[in-house]
Amino acid sequence: KAGVTQTPRYLIKTRGQQVTLSCSPISGHRSVSWYQQTPGQGLQFLFEYFSETQRNKGNFPGRFSGRQFSNSRSEMNVSTLELGDSALYLCASSFGSRLPPSYGYTFGSGTRLTVV
Amino acid sequence: KNEVEQSPQNLTAQEGEFITINCSYSVGISALHWLQQHPGGGIVSLFMLSSGKKKHGRLIATINIQEKHSSLHITASHPRDSAVYICAAVFNTDKLIFGTGTRLQVFP
Repeated sequence: KAGVTQTPRYLIKTRGQQVTLSCSPISGHRSVSWYQQTPGQGLQFLFEYFSETQRNKGNFPGRFSGRQFSNSRSEMNVSTLELGDSALYLCASSFGSRLPPSYGYTFGSGTRLTVV
Repeated sequence: KNEVEQSPQNLTAQEGEFITINCSYSVGISALHWLQQHPGGGIVSLFMLSSGKKKHGRLIATINIQEKHSSLHITASHPRDSAVYICAAVFNTDKLIFGTGTRLQVFP
């Protein structure tokens, strides 16, 4: 069965622009969570969605937002990009509504965003 | 404050050695994940545990709730085990906090 699909894989944007990243979860998974990974800060939790509702949010500024559609696909948006937003953005999906998920998370391969 | 500490930061081993990676956390959690990240970024979820011990092949994960500590062991290590291993704690606030990772290199 298909894994978690993130698009695009690589992206280069200019400071001040905005960007939208997409995540398609494993079929049947209704929870999608997003993470940012940088060399300096490591992995950090951004937010988590279940059934189109944001259930949990990390400590990121309001420039970072997300949404989930009825088919469980999720997008995250970063507005007014800064150089420090350059990172690997990962999403993960999980089955069921429990937190933490009983069967763990399945991660996508990530989108590498470079802000110049 | 929710914190997760991982040690060591870097680890080198000869093929066949027994490996231990440690993870400690500051306050109560509901579960702890062990993740493996290969060069290129792909992350694989190895274990999620809230008590006791889990084993999968040569990998063993243990957690001691009272001591707020978890360990990941690799028996008979192999060069293909070379990766970054990350623990992530799910705190009772449902937030997932990651350790800084342990970079493991296993040489033949």
